[in-house]
Amino acid sequence: EAGVVQSPRYKIIEKKQPVAFWCNPISGHNTLYWYRQNLGQGPELLIRYENEEAVDDSQLPKDRFSAERLKGVDSTLKIQPAELGDSAVYLCASSEDRGRRSNEQFFGPGTRLTVL
Amino acid sequence: AQTVTQSQPEMSVQEAETVTLSCTYDTSESDYYLFWYKQPPSRQMILVIRQEAYKQQNATENRFSVNFQKAAKSFSLKISDSQLGDAAMYFCALDNAGNMLTFGGGTRLMVKP
Repeated sequence: EAGVVQSPRYKIIEKKQPVAFWCNPISGHNTLYWYRQNLGQGPELLIRYENEEAVDDSQLPKDRFSAERLKGVDSTLKIQPAELGDSAVYLCASSEDRGRRSNEQFFGPGTRLTVL
Repeated sequence: AQTVTQSQPEMSVQEAETVTLSCTYDTSESDYYLFWYKQPPSRQMILVIRQEAYKQQNATENRFSVNFQKAAKSFSLKISDSQLGDAAMYFCALDNAGNMLTFGGGTRLMVKP
């Protein structure tokens, strides 16, 4: 079974440029998460989707960040324009609703973004 | 608000020995879940072990076990018979709101041959 797929693995851009990250969750997983992981720190949740609905985006900087999950499958996270402080690893995760209050999250390999 | 604290930035263990990684957390909820994740240099987070707060029995997964002290809000991870492949970043995480993970800052584990 394929895991969570993310692309690209690495991205280097200049500040003020736009950038987009793509995530394909595990087949059948209805919940999708985007995290940001700064160097030497733990991941922080940016947004969580239940199917195609964003149910928690309180940590998403809405002035420059946007996300979508059309058709409730794969998802795109966009930054426009990028700032130096956006340099980080962006992780995508997915989980299957098994009726538990907390379902295991499966993570992708992440996209390492460097903003110059 | 919930917080997770890992006070050991780095730990080192000799191959085949036992090591314990510490984690403390704060939450006002009584029903929550705790996790330990492993992140190797490839960056892919892998679930190591999970603990439901309402269960008194400590979770175990092969060489990995936890010491869950609910009153003290402590959740340590013990790795027995350490192997070279155990070398990685280890993150403690708390879910007290339903599929909403809060991570600690991580502990880098080095395994010496």
